[in-house]
Amino acid sequence: AQSVAQPEDQVNVAEGNPLTVKCTYSVSGNPYLFWYVQYPNRGLQFLLKYITGDNLVKGSYGFEAEFNKSQTSFHLKKPSALVSDSALYFCAVRAGLTGGGNKLTFGTGTQLKVEL
Amino acid sequence: DTGVSQDPRHKITKRGQNVTFRCDPISEHNRLYWYRQTLGQGPEFLTYFQNEAQLEKSRLLSDRFSAERPKGSFSTLEIQRTEQGDSAMYLCASSSLLGEQYFGPGTRLTVT
Repeated sequence: AQSVAQPEDQVNVAEGNPLTVKCTYSVSGNPYLFWYVQYPNRGLQFLLKYITGDNLVKGSYGFEAEFNKSQTSFHLKKPSALVSDSALYFCAVRAGLTGGGNKLTFGTGTQLKVEL
Repeated sequence: DTGVSQDPRHKITKRGQNVTFRCDPISEHNRLYWYRQTLGQGPEFLTYFQNEAQLEKSRLLSDRFSAERPKGSFSTLEIQRTEQGDSAMYLCASSSLLGEQYFGPGTRLTVT
């Protein structure tokens, strides 16, 4: 079975400061990892993914994420937060091609609040 | 094509009634997924199609739930004899064979 843990229900950060939203995962075989963002009353928007290759992946709106295989983590980062980044962030995992399956398993989400 | 669309956006129904939701995927995507999201939780997988074939169903998908994707285009999700526990946001997503999933805005179901 695959699973995702987002240990923080909420992260508060001041605008202009760096932000990190944590994610750890469990999956059979090589993981495919994703970050999505959800604004109120809207669907999920894709931010970035890790499939293979460089451990640091860059995505939309200046976000990046670092894959760490030994720690089974995929933390979301941004060097300088904006108030408009305030939203609900979800980490998700699916098994890679060798593990079969296509469904995404999501974490419970982390509410990011960026204040002036 | 601007993305995945879902209809209706909101549905209020009485317990015991049947409801049907529609999802139109991104046109070139051959995979279509349904998820359910309740307050404070991440989306939970329900089922997915590759073209018109339904290839996987979650144990969450009870006998009252059925999904179809005729001709591999749009999909419908029907819930029969709705219960209050069915109240949730129902999300549809689509993807290419190996690509990331793109989500629609969701259908919020309220069962009274």
